[in-house]
Amino acid sequence: SAVISQKPSRDICQRGTSLTIQCQVDSQVTMMFWYRQQPGQSLTLIATANQGSEATYESGFVIDKFPISRPNLTFSTLTVSNMSPEDSSIYLCSVDAGRVRGYTFGSGTRLTVV
Amino acid sequence: QQQVKQSPQSLIVQKGGISIINCAYENTAFDYFPWYQQFPGKGPALLIAIRPDVSEKKEGRFTISFNKSAKQFSLHIMDSQPGDSATYFCAASKGGNEKLTFGTGTRLTIIP
Repeated sequence: SAVISQKPSRDICQRGTSLTIQCQVDSQVTMMFWYRQQPGQSLTLIATANQGSEATYESGFVIDKFPISRPNLTFSTLTVSNMSPEDSSIYLCSVDAGRVRGYTFGSGTRLTVV
Repeated sequence: QQQVKQSPQSLIVQKGGISIINCAYENTAFDYFPWYQQFPGKGPALLIAIRPDVSEKKEGRFTISFNKSAKQFSLHIMDSQPGDSATYFCAASKGGNEKLTFGTGTRLTIIP
């Protein structure tokens, strides 16, 4: 599997502030995916980030709330903006590392908003 | 719209037994079906995956069975061990850098 380094691993933030989550992949990938996992729930796709173009957001997620950067083929950031307690979740990045290596995930960022 | 349905929600299996988790999908364009294992506080880890050109794939104690006509696939864990206690997610995608759609997850507990 591809190795994904995600940070921070966890954070506690005040409501109204923003947090930027970083993902670094050990190989060049076309697409990077950002997911949210609410406590005890499954994974929901937030957006797909393609290098050199605007991210594509899923229904219910908007760029103003979750801006994404994808400056090169190995790195991406997700910002959770103007946070509220409802944003408390685990945020995960993922890549498709090809037919053999498959889709792999970072270790996640556990966000608590107080 | 729930495109991948997973069952059961929770499962308790005795050590040494067989754990079976089932998933059904709707979108016939899906052609990649992975299973993930997730421990508390960790990200999902790819366990095993199958593509629809085969009906079964085995890796160690883990086997995926795939029924294309029924649009179903399942994970079998043979000789289940306490260390297998985790949450398991099935998923599906159209492959080739397409997004994964996840099932709702199964919390597996292996008891001695």
